[in-house]
Amino acid sequence: DAKTTQPPSMDCAEGRAANLPCNHSTISGNEYVYWYRQIHSQGPQYIIHGLKNNETNEMASLIITEDRKSSTLILPHATLRDTAVYYCIARSRGNEKLTFGTGTRLTIIP
Amino acid sequence: DVKVTQSSRYLVKRTGEKVFLECVQDMDHENMFWYRQDPGLGLRLIYFSYDVKMKEKGDIPEGYSVSREKKERFSLILESASTNQTSMYLCASSSGTGGLDEQFFGPGTRLTVL
Repeated sequence: DAKTTQPPSMDCAEGRAANLPCNHSTISGNEYVYWYRQIHSQGPQYIIHGLKNNETNEMASLIITEDRKSSTLILPHATLRDTAVYYCIARSRGNEKLTFGTGTRLTIIP
Repeated sequence: DVKVTQSSRYLVKRTGEKVFLECVQDMDHENMFWYRQDPGLGLRLIYFSYDVKMKEKGDIPEGYSVSREKKERFSLILESASTNQTSMYLCASSSGTGGLDEQFFGPGTRLTVL
């Protein structure tokens, strides 16, 4: 699966939208973009995934560029409970394994 | 509420001991996974299982073995624990219905080998 690149850390003010970027310039056509997050002292938690269309669920929105070389996870109204490490993962259909990088440590500032 | 549980949150063992880490899921999932997580290295896959008695090596299987005798239970075994196996160990499961299903993680076991 393609390698992804994320900034190591970001801050966001509480109540504002948190925009987390991910670069996956070598992603292939059958690879999906997945996002997980890991709150301190817990296991990772699935957030959202997409292939080429933008996706939204109750937790977040995922914007994938038209060339699919990058994406942005958006938390529309960040709360203190959104402080976590966020992982962007490229994963092909049928591949049961996830390859985690080191992610982005997002800190929500009161 | 779906759950993946791990037998211990914290464990301290001595070098050379045989260590068993247990993971149980209640979702009737086909796939189960063991990862370890170390600072600066992220999560790395040790082993996974896609069916009872079936297993596949992940990225770092050396020094570990696994057992899956029942669908709901997946055990990670350190035959002879060493200090470099001090780490956070995370278990996960997924339904195995075509490769897009999410993985559900347990809370982790922090193992210290002295």
